[in-house]
Amino acid sequence: AQSVTQLGSHVSVSEGALVLLRCNYSSSVPPYLFWYVQYPNQGLQLLLKYTTGATLVKGINGFEAEFKKSETSFHLTKPSAHMSDAAEYFCALSGAGSYQLTFGKGTKLSVIP
Amino acid sequence: DARVTQTPRHKVTEMGQEVTMRCQPILGHNTVFWYRQTMMQGLELLAYFRNRAPLDDSGMPKDRFSAEMPDATLATLKIQPSEPRDSAVYFCASVKDPPGYEQYFGPGTRLTVT
Repeated sequence: AQSVTQLGSHVSVSEGALVLLRCNYSSSVPPYLFWYVQYPNQGLQLLLKYTTGATLVKGINGFEAEFKKSETSFHLTKPSAHMSDAAEYFCALSGAGSYQLTFGKGTKLSVIP
Repeated sequence: DARVTQTPRHKVTEMGQEVTMRCQPILGHNTVFWYRQTMMQGLELLAYFRNRAPLDDSGMPKDRFSAEMPDATLATLKIQPSEPRDSAVYFCASVKDPPGYEQYFGPGTRLTVT
């Protein structure tokens, strides 16, 4: 069985501050991990993904995430928050050979001016 | 810029009416997913198809929901009869082989059943 846990349904940061959104997973097979962003009234857009290889992955809009197998984590970070980063972020997991994604419940990021 | 398209973007209907939502996956993507998003339940997988054949529809209420892929460029999700609890945003997503690649999401259909 697979599961994704996002710690914190709502995170607030000041503009210019570090963004850290936490994601832990459980998987019986090597995982493929994804972060998606959803802006209001829009679909989900891929930020970044980890499949194999380098454990630090860089995505769009200055975001990056590090796959830590020992901690079963895939936390999303951005050094300096921008007002335009305010959105909901979803961590998702699939296993090699699987078509299905298991999503976390999402973390809504607010950026305070 | 290839993208998944969905129609209609918004639909308001009365309880008991039939609702049909349409999705055009990205050309060349052979696996298509239907999701439902609500505040209470978050994102739920309803069904998905590979090469137009249903692989899993266990997330769908069978008595009122049906999903089909008449051809490789069109996926449909029907609700008959609709109920207020079906009010949600319905997303379509597509992915190309091999499995494990990222899914590309459409903009969604916001359904309101009164």
